[in-house]
Amino acid sequence: DSGVTQTPKHLITATGQRVTLRCSPRSGDLSVYWYQQSLDQGLQFLIQYYNGEERAKGNILERFSAQQFPDLHSELNLSSLELGDSALYFCASSVGPIYGYTFGSGTRLTVV
Amino acid sequence: AQTVTQSQPEMSVQEAETVTLSCTYDTSESDYYLFWYKQPPSRQMILVIRQEAYKQQNATENRFSVNFQKAAKSFSLKISDSQLGDAAMYFCAYRRTGTASKLTFGTGTRLQVTL
Repeated sequence: DSGVTQTPKHLITATGQRVTLRCSPRSGDLSVYWYQQSLDQGLQFLIQYYNGEERAKGNILERFSAQQFPDLHSELNLSSLELGDSALYFCASSVGPIYGYTFGSGTRLTVV
Repeated sequence: AQTVTQSQPEMSVQEAETVTLSCTYDTSESDYYLFWYKQPPSRQMILVIRQEAYKQQNATENRFSVNFQKAAKSFSLKISDSQLGDAAMYFCAYRRTGTASKLTFGTGTRLQVTL
C-alpha cells in the first residue's frame, strides 16, 4: 500500500456518461497530480493541485475537470465520455520535489 | 519547456546479465531532480531510484544504479544481475525544484528479461 488511495479501481461506463474518480493523497502530502495513461502509452499530465488550489494544467480536455477539497482529497470529473477516454487514470501525491511522486494504483476506465 | 527522451522503446536482457536504459532530457535549469520509475504488468508505478542534480555522485539502490552526466543532460539506468521480476516498463522523469513542481515523463522503455 503506497498510501495514495484511488477509487474505484475499475469503472465501465457508456459513451456520453459522466464519472468521478477519487483520490486520497498520502498523509501529509499537499500536492495531488492526475495523469492519464492510455494502453501502452506514456503518462500524460492532466492537472495539479496544491493545498486546494490549481497549480498547473496539462493536456486536460474541457470535458474534464478536477478539484481538491479542504481535507486534501481530490476528484477528477470526466463528462461526455468518448471511447478514446478509455485509459488508466493515476493520481499521485508529493511532499516535496526531491521525493518524486507516490502513485496510487490507478483507476482503469473503460468506455463502451 | 522541459522534455525527456527515451530513445529505446524496447530492450532485452538475459537473466543475471547487466542492461543499461538510456534517457536524455532538456532543461535550462541548473538544479532539478531525476527519477526512474518501474511499471510492471500490474501497472503500479514504483520509484526505482532518484538523483539530485547538484550531487555529482551517481545514485545507487541495490542492483540499480545511474550514470548521471549533467553537462550532456544524460541519465541512464543500469540494472545489474537482472532478474525475471525486473521485466517492466521503465520511465525516466524530470522534476525541477519547487514544492509544487510536476514530473515530466519520457515515453518509456519496455524491458524483457529472458532465461
